[in-house]
Amino acid sequence: AQSVTQLGSHVSVSEGALVLLRCNYSSSVPPYLFWYVQYPNQGLQLLLKYTSAATLVKGINGFEAEFKKSETSFHLTKPSAHMSDAAEYFCAVSESFGNEKLTFGTGTRLTIIP
Amino acid sequence: NAGVTQTPKFRVLKTGQSMTLLCAQDMNHEYMYWYRQDPGMGLRLIHYSVGEGTTAKGEVPDGYNVSRLKKQNFLLGLESAAPSQTSVYFCASSYFGAVHYNEQFFGPGTRLTVL
Repeated sequence: AQSVTQLGSHVSVSEGALVLLRCNYSSSVPPYLFWYVQYPNQGLQLLLKYTSAATLVKGINGFEAEFKKSETSFHLTKPSAHMSDAAEYFCAVSESFGNEKLTFGTGTRLTIIP
Repeated sequence: NAGVTQTPKFRVLKTGQSMTLLCAQDMNHEYMYWYRQDPGMGLRLIHYSVGEGTTAKGEVPDGYNVSRLKKQNFLLGLESAAPSQTSVYFCASSYFGAVHYNEQFFGPGTRLTVL
């Protein structure tokens, strides 16, 4: 069985500050991990994905995430927040074989303070 | 390419009415999914399909039915709408095969209100 926990349903950071959104997962087999972003009144857009190639994954809009197997974590970071980063972010996990479904976390709403 | 499209974008129903939500994708994806999104609960899988003519239940299937008569379309039906089905519904699709890592592509959503 697979599951995802996102710590913090709301995160606020100042413009220019570090963004850190936390995601922990559980999976009975090696996982694939994803971060999706949802802007207001829109669908989900893929930010980045971990597929067992490199543990540090770079995505769009300056975001990156690091897969840490020992901590079962896949936290999302961005060195300097921009006003346009305000959105809801979802972490998702899929088992690397035998499972065609994604399991999503409950989401983290990111607010950027001017 | 339009990607994944959903019809309609908004709908208001009265309790007991029925409706069908249409999802279409032009990426020749094998897999298609229906999710509902509710505040604080993330996305929950309603039903999904791994190919034309096949469907399977997800996490919250009760009160919904689906059909996949054509590879590019996935329909979600509500036979007798209830206020608990007020939600935003998202359709998604993905390629078949591990090499594609189960990455899903999402539609813009349908906002449904049941009075």
